[in-house]
Amino acid sequence: NAGVTQTPKFQVLKTGQSMTLQCAQDMNHEYMSWYRQDPGMGLRLIHYSVGAGITDQGEVPNGYNVSRSTTEDFPLRLLSAAPSQTSVYFCASSLKQLRKQFFGPGTRLTVL
Amino acid sequence: ILNVEQSPQSLHVQEGDSTNFTCSFPSSNFYALHWYRWETAKSPEALFVMTLNGDEKKKGRISATLNTKEGYSYLYIKGSQPEDSATYLCAPSNAGGTSYGKLTFGQGTILTVHP
Repeated sequence: NAGVTQTPKFQVLKTGQSMTLQCAQDMNHEYMSWYRQDPGMGLRLIHYSVGAGITDQGEVPNGYNVSRSTTEDFPLRLLSAAPSQTSVYFCASSLKQLRKQFFGPGTRLTVL
Repeated sequence: ILNVEQSPQSLHVQEGDSTNFTCSFPSSNFYALHWYRWETAKSPEALFVMTLNGDEKKKGRISATLNTKEGYSYLYIKGSQPEDSATYLCAPSNAGGTSYGKLTFGQGTILTVHP
């Protein structure tokens, strides 16, 4: 099993550009989530999904969209990047909601 | 959003020392408490998921206890080794309102074990 994979590992964007961070898992997990990690702050939940076709907002959803068309994939879309979105983004999955989460390797995003 | 506090923020110990740190969270509507270990340049890795008051979990030299009535959990490391150096995160979830089913991560305790 590859576990949770994320692409790209690094990305630099200009303000106003859009992009999609990819996340995939091969463990048949129902629950998937996106977090951002900023210096001096804990991991903050952006969006999550309890199954294909179902998504909901986390603590800091503004500026991000998600969809879950398959069990395996949970992409995170930045519609119009802003410098405040410079962060490290982690995708995580678990068998069900509130079971232990498996984290991907992270994507380091810089918005200029 | 739950108010989660972890203390101390950082800790330096010598190899062989035993140590412990604390996670405090609101006791009302408690549902679950997760502990994760996060090594530098890696991703967080789950240590324990605890749900019942009085729960004790153990994994090798690391153990954790849970008090849901007063809203705290302790993580203990016995005989610390340099490879235990990491940030230890706790993340509670409660059973009610808009926080249901969502983990709120604390800022973590950074442990450095010196040889």
